[in-house]
Formats: sequence, C-alpha cells, structure tokens
Amino acid sequence: GEDVEQSLFLSVREGDSSVINCTYTDSSSTYLYWYKQEPGAGLQLLTYIFSNMDMKQDQRLTVLLNKKDKHLSLRIADTQTGDSAIYFCAEMRYSSASKIIFGSGTRLSIRP
Amino acid sequence: DTAVSQTPKYLVTQMGNDKSIKCEQNLGHDTMYWYKQDSKKFLKIMFSYNNKELIINETVPNRFSPKSPDKAHLNLHINSLELGDSAVYFCASSNPGTEIYGYTFGSGTRLTVV
Repeated sequence: GEDVEQSLFLSVREGDSSVINCTYTDSSSTYLYWYKQEPGAGLQLLTYIFSNMDMKQDQRLTVLLNKKDKHLSLRIADTQTGDSAIYFCAEMRYSSASKIIFGSGTRLSIRP
Repeated sequence: DTAVSQTPKYLVTQMGNDKSIKCEQNLGHDTMYWYKQDSKKFLKIMFSYNNKELIINETVPNRFSPKSPDKAHLNLHINSLELGDSAVYFCASSNPGTEIYGYTFGSGTRLTVV
C-alpha cells in the first residue's frame, strides 16, 4: 500500500469479534473506505466513513475513525466463516483528480 | 445485471506477446479506472479516464495503453508482455460527485505471463 498501513494477518475464533486496524498518513483525507476481497473474487465495498464522523455502524460492522491519530478500524461482530477474506482500508486522495489509495490488506482467517 | 464486467477472467500468455483486457460498465458512470493487484495483494491505480479522456496515468510503462472508445468502456492493451506483468487487473467505475461513496469494481482479470 501507499502510506496506508495495515497488519497483514488476523486470526479469530468463530463467534468472536474481529478488529482490523489501519493507519493513514494524509491528514486531509476526507473519505475512507473498507473493501472486502474473498478468494478469487473482486473488491466489494463494505462501508465508507467521512472525516466529519467518528463512528459508523451497519449491522455487524462498526467503523471507528480517530482523526487525531489518523487511525481507522473495522470491527466485525460475531465473526462467521463467511467473513474469511482480505480486508482493505482505503482513502480518497485528490491531486489532479481523485483516486482511491489502498492499504496492503489484512487477511482475516476464522478458526472453529 | 448492473455491473462492471471484465473479459477475459483468466489470460495465460507467453512473454513478448501483446494482449488486451476489456472492461464495460452499465452503471452510467463517467469515470473508469484500471488497478493492478500483485502477488502480495497490493493494489495500485494505473489509469483513470473521465468521459473518454485520460486524467490519471500513474507512471505505468508505455507498453500499457488504455483505450476508451466511449464512457462505458475502458480497455487495456499491453505490448511485449513481461513476467512482471503477471497480476490481477481490476477495472472500476464511479461518477463525479458520488465517487466519495467509493468505486464499483469488476471481478478482475488474472493475467499470467509464462
């Protein structure tokens, strides 16, 4: 990833909560995203959060944004085997045009 | 189906060949993108087109030439393929103003150069 950092692996027990963390360096980032990639599949937008928000909840997903520390997290409650995937943190950057920059991805594995 | 669709899904070819990957979106979006995902799963933007005009070119070798015949299509042509071009290539689309809600991605084309 380009200045968007994530840990590469996370293993959790089925039914537990998963927390995937991300740090970004562009303090002007206004729009941040979490994408999910299942094995052999494309990128699915899970959720987004804007910089004027601290938290966003959507069913089992909770996104927390700490702008001071430039830290974004994704919490998945009651993790299921179907949640096994790579989760990408991403931010929107503007220079001559907008572009989404992705982190390196966190591979979430679920153990029984 | 409303989607971003890419063809082919898999492409295996020899070094030195020229190949094309096609992308079409029926979402009515104005902007389309190509991303490359390497073997370590790093995703990097390559190109962006808005209404058939190139707006982002991220220092990609000039062996890569995108072409947008209309705003619903963005194709990627690669000349003189090298082993390092092996990757999954993702097409995406968005609309100005609503891109803040994220891009819609295709399912990817896995290119293997042997």
